[in-house]
Amino acid sequence: EAGVAQSPRYKIIEKRQSVAFWCNPISGHATLYWYQQILGQGPKLLIQFQNNGVVDDSQLPKDRFSAERLKGVDSTLKIQPAKLEDSAVYLCASSPDLLYGTTYEQYFGPGTRLTVT
Amino acid sequence: QQQVKQSPQSLIVQKGGISIINCAYENTAFDYFPWYQQFPGKGPALLIAIRPDVSEKKEGRFTISFNKSAKQFSLHIMDSQPGDSATYFCAASNSGGSNYKLTFGKGTLLTVNP
Repeated sequence: EAGVAQSPRYKIIEKRQSVAFWCNPISGHATLYWYQQILGQGPKLLIQFQNNGVVDDSQLPKDRFSAERLKGVDSTLKIQPAKLEDSAVYLCASSPDLLYGTTYEQYFGPGTRLTVT
Repeated sequence: QQQVKQSPQSLIVQKGGISIINCAYENTAFDYFPWYQQFPGKGPALLIAIRPDVSEKKEGRFTISFNKSAKQFSLHIMDSQPGDSATYFCAASNSGGSNYKLTFGKGTLLTVNP
């Protein structure tokens, strides 16, 4: 079974520039999560999708961050404009359908390391 | 407000020793407590998880101990090996919510010396 795929793996941009990250979840997983992991901290949920609908985006800085999951499969997270404090690893995770799953396990991708200079 | 507090921040153990990482939570609605293991350059991977209806769960060398009254849970790694060197995160979620949102601790960097 293929895991969660993310690209790019690394990105360096200057502040005020824009950047986009892509995630392809495990096939058949209805739920997709984007996390921000700042160095030395645990992952923090930014947004959660159930199929192509948003379940939770309470911690997403909506003035600069946006995310979409068209067709309920892969997803894109965008930052525009980026700030220095956005430097972090952005993790995508997926899990089986909440309606039918018997586990809360979230499967994480390798992440995209963003450096804003 | 940090809802899950994890300690220690870092831990050095000799090969064959026992590694112990502790977490405390505040939200009494939490009812699912997983531990994740993360190697450099990789995403976190589920190691073991527990629900509050049991006080202990063991899988191989890894054991979770859970104290509901104290709102604490801990990870014990028996016979620690150099390959266990990684960052460990505790987390908690409320299955009564609509999204099973995980709240993570800040992580513990474990180093197992050969």
